[in-house]
Amino acid sequence: DTAVSQTPKYLVTQMGNDKSIKCEQNLGHDTMYWYKQDSKKFLKIMFSYNNKELIINETVPNRFSPKSPDKAHLNLHINSLELGDSAVYFCASSPGGSSYNEQFFGPGTRLTVL
Amino acid sequence: AQTVTQSQPEMSVQEAETVTLSCTYDTSENNYYLFWYKQPPSRQMILVIRQEAYKQQNATENRFSVNFQKAAKSFSLKISDSQLGDTAMYFCAFFTGTASKLTFGTGTRLQVTL
Repeated sequence: DTAVSQTPKYLVTQMGNDKSIKCEQNLGHDTMYWYKQDSKKFLKIMFSYNNKELIINETVPNRFSPKSPDKAHLNLHINSLELGDSAVYFCASSPGGSSYNEQFFGPGTRLTVL
Repeated sequence: AQTVTQSQPEMSVQEAETVTLSCTYDTSENNYYLFWYKQPPSRQMILVIRQEAYKQQNATENRFSVNFQKAAKSFSLKISDSQLGDTAMYFCAFFTGTASKLTFGTGTRLQVTL
């Protein structure tokens, strides 16, 4: 069974469109994350949710809106897509808490904006 | 703010040889965790090894070991008996409970050759 899954794995769309990426984890973890990996492979956190509550929101444009319907799911909706949004988006989860627990990453979604 | 620096964008090593990847970090925290992640061409993020800052003993996982120098804020990864399957991007990462997020370095692309 896949621990952290993302759909779709690839997404090609036109500028100005709105798209969503879904993430699900079956590990029973409390904390979920979205990371963005740009064309130079640099990975940076975007959001973090703990038990459906937003914990971290790193200077991300308002066009990006995460939604957590339950603690097993964290979706990412992007409005008015721009060329610079092209990247690989990774979802991750961890048991949570103040001490570190390993983060398990999904396979990534490669978003290409034309 | 925490920063992680990987000064080697690319490295190459022959199969069965040993290679060391460098990482330095900057933080004012005393309790934190350090990691090396591997990202093969499949783009899956895989945890290679972790080190708790309060532990003086260097972590080891099979062919992978670290040299953790807390005073120098250095955390290098040594890969022994390199294998073709070790070809990947390697990311150094840093976590504190205060920030509750992983901060990644820019990565080192490792190529293992015959």
